[in-house]
Amino acid sequence: DSGVTQTPKHLITATGQRVTLRCSPRSGDLSVYWYQQSLDQGLQFLIQYYNGEERAKGNILERFSAQQFPDLHSELNLSSLELGDSALYFCASSAMRGNEQFFGPGTRLTVL
Amino acid sequence: DQQVKQNSPSLSVQEGRISILNCDYTNSMFDYFLWYKKYPAEGPTFLISISSIKDKNEDGRFTVFLNKSAKHLSLHIVPSQPGDSAVYFCAASLRRGGADGLTFGKGTHLIIQP
Repeated sequence: DSGVTQTPKHLITATGQRVTLRCSPRSGDLSVYWYQQSLDQGLQFLIQYYNGEERAKGNILERFSAQQFPDLHSELNLSSLELGDSALYFCASSAMRGNEQFFGPGTRLTVL
Repeated sequence: DQQVKQNSPSLSVQEGRISILNCDYTNSMFDYFLWYKKYPAEGPTFLISISSIKDKNEDGRFTVFLNKSAKHLSLHIVPSQPGDSAVYFCAASLRRGGADGLTFGKGTHLIIQP
C-alpha cells in the first residue's frame, strides 16, 4: 500500500459526459501528479500540482483540468468524454519536488 | 516520438537465475532514471532509481546500470523469485525524481518460471 488513495476504483459513463476523479496523496506529500495509461500509449504524464499550484503540464487535453485543494487532495476533471478517453488514470505523490513518486491504485474509466 | 523505449514486451526467466531488463532513451537531457514494478489491478511501485552522475546503483537483489554514452540502462534482478513476475517500467525525468513528470517506457512483462 503506497498510502495514495484514489476514488472511484471504476467509472463507466457515456460519450459527452463529464467525470471527476479524486486523489488523496500520502500524508505530508505536497506534490500530486496525474497519469493516463491507455493500451496503445502506455503511461503518460498529464499534469503536476505542488502545494495547490500547477507546476508542470504534460500531454493533457484541453477538455481535461485538475486542481489541488488546501488539504492537498486533488481532482482531475474530464469533460466532453470520448471513447478514446477510456483508460486507467493514476495519481502519484511525492514529498517535495525532486523525490520519487508513489502511485495510487488507479481509476479505470470506461466511456461507452 | 517515444523517448523511452523498452524493446522487449516480455521476458521469461527461470527462478534463481538473473533477470536483465533493458531500456533505451533518446533525450540526452534526461537527468534521472527510475524503475517501477506493476502487478495487475495495482498502481506502479517504485523499485530503484539512478542519477545521471552515477553508473550503478544497488538495492538488495536489484541493481540498475546506466550507460550514458549509449543512452541505455538495465535492471538486474538476482536471484529471480516467483514474486518478481510483474510488468516493469523504465522511467526518465528531466530532474531528480520526476519533478516535471516522468516519461515511461511501455513496459516489459517479466515471467519467472519455477
